[in-house]
Amino acid sequence: GESVGLHLPTLSVQEGDNSIINCAYSNSASDYFIWYKQESGKGPQFIIDIRSNMDKRQGQRVTVLLNKTVKHLSLQIAATQPGDSAVYFCAEKGDTGTASKLTFGTGTRLQVTL
Amino acid sequence: EAGVTQSPTHLIKTRGQQATLRCSPISGHTSVYWYQQALGLGLQFLLWYDEGEERNRGNFPPRFSGRQFPNYSSELNVNALELEDSALYLCASSVTGTVGEKLFFGSGTQLSVL
Repeated sequence: GESVGLHLPTLSVQEGDNSIINCAYSNSASDYFIWYKQESGKGPQFIIDIRSNMDKRQGQRVTVLLNKTVKHLSLQIAATQPGDSAVYFCAEKGDTGTASKLTFGTGTRLQVTL
Repeated sequence: EAGVTQSPTHLIKTRGQQATLRCSPISGHTSVYWYQQALGLGLQFLLWYDEGEERNRGNFPPRFSGRQFPNYSSELNVNALELEDSALYLCASSVTGTVGEKLFFGSGTQLSVL
């Protein structure tokens, strides 16, 4: 079946460096992609989203890149801080689907070292 | 403004028992989603309620059920508990459940089945 996955289960980054978290998706019909952050003991928190008619979108210290050719999504975090330590999930769905159609990846744990 | 609240935060049951989990959405949100997050796995969609009706259901057995009350709060019931039901159960709400709606998650209920 269709799935969303992540290349690296754990990423360790030094404070101040940039982080790149990758996600591969297999459903070529997906039109909408989201990144969530989940801190320990909390529910997922929306970070940034992107639609398939874009290849890049920037937020505050975060950038999402979408490469539809190879079905790859990445989240870049600039100047990583200790508060960025969390599990990051990508999720995807067709643009016509409601949130109930979201497919989530298994997550990448980001560890920020001092 | 209060976020999505879930209760209890932890629940311990034995195999065969029933569990009831509760969720209060953000004020003004009519849609409630339930997800299961098993250890090491991504979020798996369980149920979606909107305006008191079940709108969509994930690939889970019928012993997973729920309802949404007139005040839009929701309840997830799991009957005949099995060991593999042990997981974090997350509730999320959105304004109307329409396309592109962002989800706001609660902190979850950790269900342990012994």
